[in-house]
Amino acid sequence: LAKTTQPISMDSYEGQEVNITCSHNNIATNDYITWYQQFPSQGPRFIIQGYKTKVTNEVASLFIPADRKSSTLSLPRVSLSDTAVYYCLVGPYGGDSWGKLQFGAGTQVVVTP
Amino acid sequence: DVKVTQSSRYLVKRTGEKVFLECVQDMDHENMFWYRQDPGLGLRLIYFSYDVKMKEKGDIPEGYSVSREKKERFSLILESASTNQTSMYLCASSNQGSPSTDTQYFGPGTRLTVL
Repeated sequence: LAKTTQPISMDSYEGQEVNITCSHNNIATNDYITWYQQFPSQGPRFIIQGYKTKVTNEVASLFIPADRKSSTLSLPRVSLSDTAVYYCLVGPYGGDSWGKLQFGAGTQVVVTP
Repeated sequence: DVKVTQSSRYLVKRTGEKVFLECVQDMDHENMFWYRQDPGLGLRLIYFSYDVKMKEKGDIPEGYSVSREKKERFSLILESASTNQTSMYLCASSNQGSPSTDTQYFGPGTRLTVL
């Protein structure tokens, strides 16, 4: 299983870019990397997913280097409402993949004015 | 809008009690999950179900059981609650397909305290 490691917390000011790195040294060939965001008193929600190189959507960008042993979630120009816990999830594509999904411990991002 | 609801936001139970946590989804999803969330440990999978009456053990099934009699409902059961089961419990659902890569939709969670 691809054990994931994330920083426990990160602080930022409004308007800055926040980059959260997830380490997954033993990622398998068919593993994908998914990030979820969790606000207080809510369940996590999907942000972005990728397999290699770079993926961008309206919320974030995900950078995955060629060796895929880590990935970086980038939040551009954060606002106070981006204060949340961010989880990295690594797991393979496949109908029987429930036993292989591994969430990271989460990174608490606090954005201050 | 997709919705996963959990029967209680907060529960307080006593050691030895039987506890039922209910989860309902309105998206006609085949897959449903129960997770436990603890500080520093992230989300850990307790049980997974891919169809009615079908279940698979996750990483930490000990002390828990599940029931899925209808497609939309997935129940987590603590047969005899213990203090080390005090935690946040999250339910999720996803489309039939790849459980670890398809988008999971989470409920708001149930914070269970066992005294």
